[in-house]
Amino acid sequence: DGGITQSPKYLFRKEGQNVTLSCEQNLNHDAMYWYRQDPGQGLRLIYYSQIVNDFQKGDIAEGYSVSREKKESFPLTVTSAQKNPTAFYLCASKSLNTGELFFGEGSRLTVL
Amino acid sequence: AQSVTQLGSHVSVSEGALVLLRCNYSSSVPPYLFWYVQYPNQGLQLLLKYTSAATLVKGINGFEAEFKKSETSFHLTKPSAHMSDAAEYFCAVSGGNYGQNFVFGPGTRLSVLP
Repeated sequence: DGGITQSPKYLFRKEGQNVTLSCEQNLNHDAMYWYRQDPGQGLRLIYYSQIVNDFQKGDIAEGYSVSREKKESFPLTVTSAQKNPTAFYLCASKSLNTGELFFGEGSRLTVL
Repeated sequence: AQSVTQLGSHVSVSEGALVLLRCNYSSSVPPYLFWYVQYPNQGLQLLLKYTSAATLVKGINGFEAEFKKSETSFHLTKPSAHMSDAAEYFCAVSGGNYGQNFVFGPGTRLSVLP
């Protein structure tokens, strides 16, 4: 079945370590997105990519980095510069046919 | 620019009662509007969407929403709540299929009481 796969589901890291969250889609969508979700704050856009080898900062890009070398993949790196990285991270892709976002199951990062 | 407001961060209803979750939007272009549902520790799942066709939109699990341009609203309703409806609900607006922006509201947590 087509969909979006995020891994790992749960991740624990020490302060000062970079971590990379994986996002893979087989929906043949051009656009992909990373959101951060904190309790009571809804979804905040970190980065998005409209096409391979191109991406733009969202509202809270500081302390994060991304790459888009392949259409199917949009990994997110949470760097040590991110001051409060503990959160639930959601990856999504967008259908140009219907305009809707499709989401992965999320990755919960806890920094100890 | 686009924005979404959801009145009520937490709504409680009794099982079998009407569910009404409110969403108001602002958009400088004809909007596409969406309702998503999220269960704990999961991603978001599309409930229904409005994309400039019929103003009354029916979705999954018995939910529906009505687009009212004059009120800039897109409220979500369900005639009879079920325990399994307890979840977080997000309203979202975008500028169409090719719009880059996809703006979410802050969410409303629905509790269903037995």
